Order: sequence, then structure tokens, then C-alpha cells
Amino acid sequence: GQNIDQPTEMTATEGAIVQINCTYQTSGFNGLFWYQQHAGEAPTFLSYNVLDGLEEKGRFSSFLSRSKGYSYLLLKELQMKDSASYLCAVMDSNYQLIWGAGTKLIIKP
Amino acid sequence: GAVVSQHPSWVICKSGTSVKIECRSLDFQATTMFWYRQFPKQSLMLMATSNEGSKATYEQGVEKDKFLINHASLTLSTLTVTSAHPEDSSFYICSARDLLAGVIDTQYFGPGTRLTVL
Repeated sequence: GQNIDQPTEMTATEGAIVQINCTYQTSGFNGLFWYQQHAGEAPTFLSYNVLDGLEEKGRFSSFLSRSKGYSYLLLKELQMKDSASYLCAVMDSNYQLIWGAGTKLIIKP
Repeated sequence: GAVVSQHPSWVICKSGTSVKIECRSLDFQATTMFWYRQFPKQSLMLMATSNEGSKATYEQGVEKDKFLINHASLTLSTLTVTSAHPEDSSFYICSARDLLAGVIDTQYFGPGTRLTVL
């Protein structure tokens, strides 16, 4: 079956760096997405990786290793507003998004 | 950037009534829209894929006669929850696929509709 694994919850300190990991097993691969979701709101798009390597976008970076079925989202210079759930999603061979359950990130002052 | 709107933002209804939720792509044409449901502290669950001008494709376990989807135009899809019951209370989110965005298959999400059935 298809499976996306990411930690349920992580805690980090304001100003620090945190890495959220995502491993996947899917039927086919057409890209991996990271979304941010604040409580009670819909997800917002953060990043898209389809080739191996690191994509940097401001304070956020996303890494992909297709051979390992692995990605991570790196958040630098954490701010309180970064407290949210971070969703990893993989697009399979049918171009459907397979979602992870999300990682709740708690930022402490 | 691509904007997707949903209406209403929240709705409270009595058990047995029907509720219609609209999803619109405001500045792009969306041949495909997706409807998701999300229960508290759980992942997004795809309910159905809606293609303009054709019948929606429902995921396993989703009752198509209960969750009616209509995608009559390239910018509008509607989800009607018929004969709603308290267990249908959830956060319903739509997304639209912008094939012309240049990035493969990015889905843009609406703000969601919180449905509470009493």
C-alpha cells in the first residue's frame, strides 16, 4: 500500500532551526509537496521537489532523495508564527496526492 | 498567485437538511477540482475528484449519493452534503489544479468550510 510517514509532533525554540522528516512508499512518484496548515485553516503551499537535492526558499528549504524515499523540510530562524502543522504529500503515478498525517510544530520562546 | 475561494466559511445546520458548499477558482481555470474532508488532528482525506463537464470520481468509502458533486464550469465546483448527520460534521476543503501554472500539478486550496450538524 501507499504510505507517508512523518513525526506527529516536534518542539523547537524561537530563533532555532528544525528539520521535519518525511518518508514515503508510493506507487510511482511525480513530486513531493510540503504544505503548512495553521489550526482551523486550509493548507498553504510551501515547496515542491521532483528532482533530488535541496530547494531553498527564504527561511524554508526542502530536500528530496528519491532513491531513499525521503524528504525533509528545514525551517531556519524560527518564529512564533511558524507554529503550525506541516504536511508532506506525494503525487503518485495517477497524479493523486497521498498525504501524510502532518507534523505539529510547537515553537517555544 | 492562484486564488481559490469557498463559500460559506462555516455553516451550522440541523440533522436531515442538505448543505451546499461552493468552490471557485478566481483567477485561473481549473479543469480538475478536489474535495477533501479533515477531522480534527487527522490528515486530509480525499473524497472525490471533480472534472469539469463530467461525473466526479469518488474515493472508496465515500457515498456518492450523499456527497453530490457538480463541476459545471471551469471555475466552479459544488459539494452538496445531503441529509446531513452529526457524523458529517467536519472541515471540508476544496482545491483546484492549475495546469497552466508552469509547476506540475500544484493544487491551490480554498480556505475551507467548517460544517457542524446538530
